[in-house]
Amino acid sequence: GIQVEQSPPDLILQEGANSTLRCNFSDSVNNLQWFHQNPWGQLINLFYIPSGTKQNGRLSATTVATERYSLLYISSSQTTDSGVYFCAVDEGDDKIIFGKGTRLHILP
Amino acid sequence: EAQVTQNPRYLITVTGKKLTVTCSQNMNHEYMSWYRQDPGLGLRQIYYSMNVEVTDKGDVPEGYKVSRKEKRNFPLILESPSPNQTSLYFCASSHQETQYFGPGTRLLVL
Repeated sequence: GIQVEQSPPDLILQEGANSTLRCNFSDSVNNLQWFHQNPWGQLINLFYIPSGTKQNGRLSATTVATERYSLLYISSSQTTDSGVYFCAVDEGDDKIIFGKGTRLHILP
Repeated sequence: EAQVTQNPRYLITVTGKKLTVTCSQNMNHEYMSWYRQDPGLGLRQIYYSMNVEVTDKGDVPEGYKVSRKEKRNFPLILESPSPNQTSLYFCASSHQETQYFGPGTRLLVL
């Protein structure tokens, strides 16, 4: 099956800094999503982005499907951005594969 | 309010005692799914359902059963729980692009 790798596994930043999280996948995918899991465990959908670029406030995401990667950008980080960020892909048979996540710590 | 609910939120049980975790969504979504989350492993899909009476195995279906008799409900059944099924379980439903997750069920099997 498809492999999904996220990097870095952990990231510690000062409040106000910018960050880039990466998601590599081993085969072509039908769709790709980014999620944020907050420190209380709640999972929130951030982007559905099988290709191209999307922006939502301080967050943006870019997927280059032909090169099998996606990037999540967080600008002007806030402490509320802390948590784990997951990317997930659909192999094409509606089965969803998650990466292992990037744990982000934003220090005040 | 659009939401996915799971019950119970926390459960401690013993090996071999059958249990069911319920999942319900009020958004009329066709696609529903169960995941387990374990430290260092991220989320792994257990089962998913494209619609009523249609279910398929995800990556880690062993030891689990599901049913989809109604569109809104997708219960997860552990016929004979074992300690390696101790985990945090999430139910999700989606329509087209967006997945909505339930609050999670933390299960401890002794």
